Amino acid sequence: AQRVTQPEKLLSVFKGAPVELKCNYSYSGSPELFWYVQYSRQRLQLLLRHISRESIKGFTADLNKGETSFHLKKPFAQEEDSAMYYCALRGGGSQGNLIFGKGTKLSVKP
Amino acid sequence: KAGVTQTPRYLIKTRGQQVTLSCSPISGHRSVSWYQQTPGQGLQFLFEYFSETQRNKGNFPGRFSGRQFSNSRSEMNVSTLELGDSALYLCASSWGGGNEQFFGPGTRLTVL
Repeated sequence: AQRVTQPEKLLSVFKGAPVELKCNYSYSGSPELFWYVQYSRQRLQLLLRHISRESIKGFTADLNKGETSFHLKKPFAQEEDSAMYYCALRGGGSQGNLIFGKGTKLSVKP
Repeated sequence: KAGVTQTPRYLIKTRGQQVTLSCSPISGHRSVSWYQQTPGQGLQFLFEYFSETQRNKGNFPGRFSGRQFSNSRSEMNVSTLELGDSALYLCASSWGGGNEQFFGPGTRLTVL
């Protein structure tokens, strides 16, 4: 079965500290992985996708097929990074059905 | 360009009633996906419509249905409402489903 697991409901760090939001997935084929972010009172929006292999707002994520993980990392957290982060999976193809993890709330303290 | 819009933003219904939610995608987008968000289950995929056809369906009972019109606007309907249907219903549009999905603000449904 397709599944996305985000083990931490809440992650609290101080400004300037490194951040790693964990995401593990279960999928038998070649999935497409995403990170979505929802800032306070804003819409859910795409942060990055693994096929782009780019850094957005200082965040990076590498797909590790051996460990079935797609952890989100940032070397130096900023207060404006405080938000809900959702890892999502799409099981291939060009279809619009995303499987989401339950999300991790990141709190960056000054 | 204008983002995804959803109407109404808030809705209160009682058990047994039915409800229709509306989603207007970004101009030019042909795929609309619907998701249910609850504190316990998180974000769960309901269904996706592409060019007026349902292309994917999540694991929800038949009380949940939807449709898409020729202008790509989509509606979802929930019949015989249950207390557990209280949730935030999000729709997302994309050019072709496999592209980036842009989310609307959601409709908050409360079932009393």
